[in-house]
Amino acid sequence: QVQLQESGPGLVKPSQTLSLTCTVSGGSISSGDYYWSWIRQPPGKGLEWIGYIYYSGSTYYNPSLKSRVTISVDTSKNQFSLKLSSVTAADTAVYYCARVYVAATRGYFDYWGQGTLVTVSS
Amino acid sequence: SSELTQDPAVSVALGQTVRITCQGDSLRSYYASWYQQKPGQAPVLVIYGKNNRPSGIPDRFSGSSSGNTASLTITGAQAEDEADYYCNSRDSSGNWVFGGGTKLTVL
Repeated sequence: QVQLQESGPGLVKPSQTLSLTCTVSGGSISSGDYYWSWIRQPPGKGLEWIGYIYYSGSTYYNPSLKSRVTISVDTSKNQFSLKLSSVTAADTAVYYCARVYVAATRGYFDYWGQGTLVTVSS
Repeated sequence: SSELTQDPAVSVALGQTVRITCQGDSLRSYYASWYQQKPGQAPVLVIYGKNNRPSGIPDRFSGSSSGNTASLTITGAQAEDEADYYCNSRDSSGNWVFGGGTKLTVL
């Protein structure tokens, strides 16, 4: 059973960089069949895809966040990470990491972390 | 980028059948996946592809698609099905989009 666990600071100051790590257990991040994604959910609102990464390092980002987002992978630690720069209060959200299956006509997020709340405030 | 539109709220009587819909141009070429989210919990995948259920998801959950509309049907809704439901798909640019979510109330 694959498990994902987010970790990182729960409070970030405005204009600073939000940094989170997702640790994967029960499966290898290098398996090749999946991508590894970050998704966020502001309090009381819906889900927003941030981006994902393949074990090789190839990345794909939401165009609305692309200028501020960096996702990286460390296969030796079975982890991937998110950095979001120049944060504002609008970036306050629960941040989830998830495993993604991607094919030509279908795809899905099948395993999710429990989520971690990040608050942007001075 | 593409958008996915869902009704904000739907209600169903206990034991009855309910359909939750999702509309968007990306659905013409990419199957929707559906997620159930209960308060304070992470989303859970309930339907993917043409009509596939992950292990552990009850068979009262089913999916279908026609044109630009995908549907999630719960046949014989149970009290534990009360939750928010999100559809998700991938647009022609490779970007993933979630619908705004539907709050399901079981009466």
